[in-house]
Amino acid sequence: AQSVTQLDSQVPVFEEAPVELRCNYSSSVSVYLFWYVQYPNQGLQLLLKYLSGSTLVKGINGFEAEFNKSQTSFHLRKPSVHISDTAEYFCAHGGATNKLIFGTGTLLAVQP
Amino acid sequence: DAGVTQSPTHLIKTRGQQVTLRCSPKSGHDTVSWYQQALGQGPQFIFQYYEEEERQRGNFPDRFSGHQFPNYSSELNVNALLLGDSALYLCASSLLRGHSPLHFGNGTRLTVT
Repeated sequence: AQSVTQLDSQVPVFEEAPVELRCNYSSSVSVYLFWYVQYPNQGLQLLLKYLSGSTLVKGINGFEAEFNKSQTSFHLRKPSVHISDTAEYFCAHGGATNKLIFGTGTLLAVQP
Repeated sequence: DAGVTQSPTHLIKTRGQQVTLRCSPKSGHDTVSWYQQALGQGPQFIFQYYEEEERQRGNFPDRFSGHQFPNYSSELNVNALLLGDSALYLCASSLLRGHSPLHFGNGTRLTVT
């Protein structure tokens, strides 16, 4: 069965510092990977997606992620975070049927 | 262009009751999926509807059922509510193809007392 592991439940970071949120997925024939962000009391918003092609994917709000097939990872990065980036981040793995398997989430807590 | 809309936003029910949640997909989308997000957890897939039929189902009991209407909107019904059904219920719309990103509504917060 497909699974997604987010290794950190919470990542504290100071404003303007770089951040990496880690995600590993179980190997599958079809690999579609997504990062979503969830602000308090809201639904999920798509940050970026990997479907095929270039392993470095750029998303909204200055985020990017790198697909690494050999390590089955899809880590999310941002070179300089803002207070407004404080939110829950979810990594998700989808297959051909568009059913998503989500990780348990990582709370990014940006401190001034 | 309206995104995914869900109603109601909050709901309080008593154990044993039944509840219906509603979802209108983003314009142009034909597929609706429902997810349950318990507190502190990632969303868990309940089921997916396309062409008014349930196409996929996650590991949820038969107390959870749904419907999709000809205008692509959808309902999620939960019977015989348990305390453990308390969660944020998220509706997501997309196109059916596998790489079509899901667009989520803001969810319905269900509290079972």
